Amino acid sequence: GESVGLHLPTLSVQEGDNSIINCAYSNSASDYFIWYKQESGKGPQFIIDIRSNMDKRQGQRVTVLLNKTVKHLSLQIAATQPGDSAVYFCAEWQAGTALIFGKGTTLSVSS
Amino acid sequence: EAQVTQNPRYLITVTGKKLTVTCSQNMNHEYMSWYRQDPGLGLRQIYYSMNVEVTDKGDVPEGYKVSRKEKRNFPLILESPSPNQTSLYFCASSFNQKVDTQYFGPGTRLTVL
Repeated sequence: GESVGLHLPTLSVQEGDNSIINCAYSNSASDYFIWYKQESGKGPQFIIDIRSNMDKRQGQRVTVLLNKTVKHLSLQIAATQPGDSAVYFCAEWQAGTALIFGKGTTLSVSS
Repeated sequence: EAQVTQNPRYLITVTGKKLTVTCSQNMNHEYMSWYRQDPGLGLRQIYYSMNVEVTDKGDVPEGYKVSRKEKRNFPLILESPSPNQTSLYFCASSFNQKVDTQYFGPGTRLTVL
């Protein structure tokens, strides 16, 4: 069954604001998490990942936070741009083989 | 150009008529996988393959078959499609199960009438 989910199906922000997209997971044995971005008509695209031995990882304008105590994952996008508008999925890597995706959050950025 | 290709991109068929969706990657990846994406359900894994001649079931394998006779190709077979298999299908590949570098194909939109 679904073990990874997102708190909000949609998020609307203004251009230049910081965005925070949340995800909860249920399997405490999961040791690897990924955020994907999916634009309309395209396949998911890798954004950033984090392993369970870390609590924070930064990329270019994106930061992923992992709180293993409450089994929560978040994606922070700094200075959100219209090009960031997409559906964002968190994914949980289980047992080295099955990649379980959350249901997705649609981010809408208005200028 | 490194890529995952799927064919066809769009397909409308009728119940019971066998079909195959092809997937090919040019990156010499060992790991390949099929997902279906449905509104409100996100992406769900159908089957995956860790290498040639090695395939295994994902979360929703019922009604599907796959084969991995060569490294670059991983076709998805629907022996007797049903309307509940109407969905958007994605193939993906990665090197040595490293999902951080998992590449997704452009998707195949299948409608079963």
